Amino acid sequence: GESVGLHLPTLSVQEGDNSIINCAYSNSASDYFIWYKQESGKGPQFIIDIRSNMDKRQGQRVTVLLNKTVKHLSLQIAATQPGDSAVYFCAEGGWDDKIIFGKGTRLHILP
Amino acid sequence: EAGVAQSPRYKIIEKRQSVAFWCNPISGHATLYWYQQILGQGPKLLIQFQNNGVVDDSQLPKDRFSAERLKGVDSTLKIQPAKLEDSAVYLCASSFQSRANTEAFFGQGTRLTVV
Repeated sequence: GESVGLHLPTLSVQEGDNSIINCAYSNSASDYFIWYKQESGKGPQFIIDIRSNMDKRQGQRVTVLLNKTVKHLSLQIAATQPGDSAVYFCAEGGWDDKIIFGKGTRLHILP
Repeated sequence: EAGVAQSPRYKIIEKRQSVAFWCNPISGHATLYWYQQILGQGPKLLIQFQNNGVVDDSQLPKDRFSAERLKGVDSTLKIQPAKLEDSAVYLCASSFQSRANTEAFFGQGTRLTVV
């Protein structure tokens, strides 16, 4: 079965607010963790990744936090915009570059 | 930079028929993945190639699915015979395969409907 999963299937956020999408994983041997964004009718798009030896990484408007103690990963999106509406997947990768996806969270932006 | 190309974009077949999907990865990418994404679920890895060799095919239903990457570039995924539960989007992805770069690029996928 899949070792990566998400707490919430749907998240509704007011435009301009910050979004936090959570993910739990079970494979403590994973080398890195990745967040993907998938818009309707498109393939997943890489957002940001984080190595297992890090606990925080920032990108443009996005921050990923990794808590290895509780095997938890989160994606924070600052100042959420309508274009952020999508399904977000966390995924994990190992030494063999195998990328395993979780089930996804749909982010819905409220006007 | 050209992205991952997949064809066809859509395919409708009857159960027990055969179907093939094609993928052209980004030039220079050694690793190629095929995923199956059933509606409402995350992509499920079917097979992973490193150049023209198979790295992992543990989730590939080998009684009906086959994949090849003969020259280490393009790849085809075949289903024979198809079942209703094979209805899904089949995604191809490629990556450079570097410890410093984990980014995998995905194609738009082929949406398969089995009726």
